[in-house]
Amino acid sequence: QSALTQPPSASGSPGQSVTISCTGTSSDVGGYNYVSWYQQHPGKAPKLMIYDVSKRPSGVPDRFSGSKSGNTASLTVSGLQAEDEADYYCSSYAGSNKGVFGGGTKLTVL
Amino acid sequence: QVQLQESGPGLVKPPETLSLICTVSGYSISSGYYWGWIRQPPGKGLEWIGSIYHSGSTFYNPSLKSRVTISVDTSKNQFSLRLNSVTAADTAVYFCARHPYTGSSWYFDLWGRGTLVTVSS
Repeated sequence: QSALTQPPSASGSPGQSVTISCTGTSSDVGGYNYVSWYQQHPGKAPKLMIYDVSKRPSGVPDRFSGSKSGNTASLTVSGLQAEDEADYYCSSYAGSNKGVFGGGTKLTVL
Repeated sequence: QVQLQESGPGLVKPPETLSLICTVSGYSISSGYYWGWIRQPPGKGLEWIGSIYHSGSTFYNPSLKSRVTISVDTSKNQFSLRLNSVTAADTAVYFCARHPYTGSSWYFDLWGRGTLVTVSS
């Protein structure tokens, strides 16, 4: 199973919105509504931001939202703040008790 | 609150076996959930290694399955990772995480801080 495809980088100014894409296939992203997103600051563990495509865990700001269309999932960060600068990873269920991560996107707040 | 902590050698020689333990506090592994291992080579992305239920039921990433064994010790509230025949490509930060997998949904909601394992002679 191949890694999901994410753009290497994304950027936006404070207060703006930015969207990060995550492209897979009909065997993973397109086949299940089980996409999750993680935020990782340098030297830290990943933090769950979105699960089941669009659900937010308790404590995650509603500035973070997720969606999916076909084989591509997206994470949108609205009202960008300096602390949102981090690496973001998507993940999807790929059937038969296995999952796959994306290659990661470095989000820069200009 | 629930916390996970990885422990084990930081240096492993090829082609020996990498062994790590994840100790869970604030929650009894026997109460439920799957528990997983994920790794991240320096400067690279995340890779799921495998997951285990408190009953011992496991599933692994097909690309690593031939070299990986994950086990659980409910009496110590720990689960373990063994990766044999390691090479430099196995150098990574290894994370343990809680995996609320029920056959529907797929995500890791709580993570340990990670431990760097370097494979070098």
